[in-house]
Amino acid sequence: KQEVTQIPAALSVPEGENLVLNCSFTDSAIYNLQWFRQDPGKGLTSLLLIQSSQREQTSGRLNASLDKSSGRSTLYIAASQPGDSATYLCAVGDTGTASKLTFGTGTRLQVTL
Amino acid sequence: DAGVTQSPTHLIKTRGQHVTLRCSPISGHKSVSWYQQVLGQGPQFIFQYYEKEERGRGNFPDRFSARQFPNYSSELNVNALLLGDSALYLCASRLYRGLAGWEQYFGPGTRLTVT
Repeated sequence: KQEVTQIPAALSVPEGENLVLNCSFTDSAIYNLQWFRQDPGKGLTSLLLIQSSQREQTSGRLNASLDKSSGRSTLYIAASQPGDSATYLCAVGDTGTASKLTFGTGTRLQVTL
Repeated sequence: DAGVTQSPTHLIKTRGQHVTLRCSPISGHKSVSWYQQVLGQGPQFIFQYYEKEERGRGNFPDRFSARQFPNYSSELNVNALLLGDSALYLCASRLYRGLAGWEQYFGPGTRLTVT
């Protein structure tokens, strides 16, 4: 059974700082990995999708890396802004027909002025 | 383009009642998934439908059921509600990205409170 862990559970940083969020998974037989952002009480916004054979994916100030063999992914946020404050969720897509996502419990990020 | 839409936004039900949640996928998407997110946890997979057929089911009791209609919209039904069913129910519309696999786009969710 796939298990996804995210560390840290919460993080507070001053505006402008670069930061790294960590995600680990127990079963390396994944199809892809997706990072999401969730604002309080809201749905999920897709940030980055990485195919299992890719090493990294970039979008603006965001960079996600994937090391499938070690079961790890990181989300790097450059020059953080107060608007980045949210919960960030990592989810791995399995190789089955449903390609369901298994989520971590998220990292709650607060960027202070 | 409209994203994934879900209705209702909020719902309060009593234990033992039945509830129906609705989802409309992004135009052109033929696959819909349902997830349950309990407060403080990551979403848990409930069902996945593609072309009106069930393609996957998570570890949820038979009180949970779903279906997909010819226009690709979907309903999630929960019978005999329990307090523990209180959660945010998320619907995801999926798009196949070739080698990258399925990318999932989530709706705003339905907040269900069972009293």
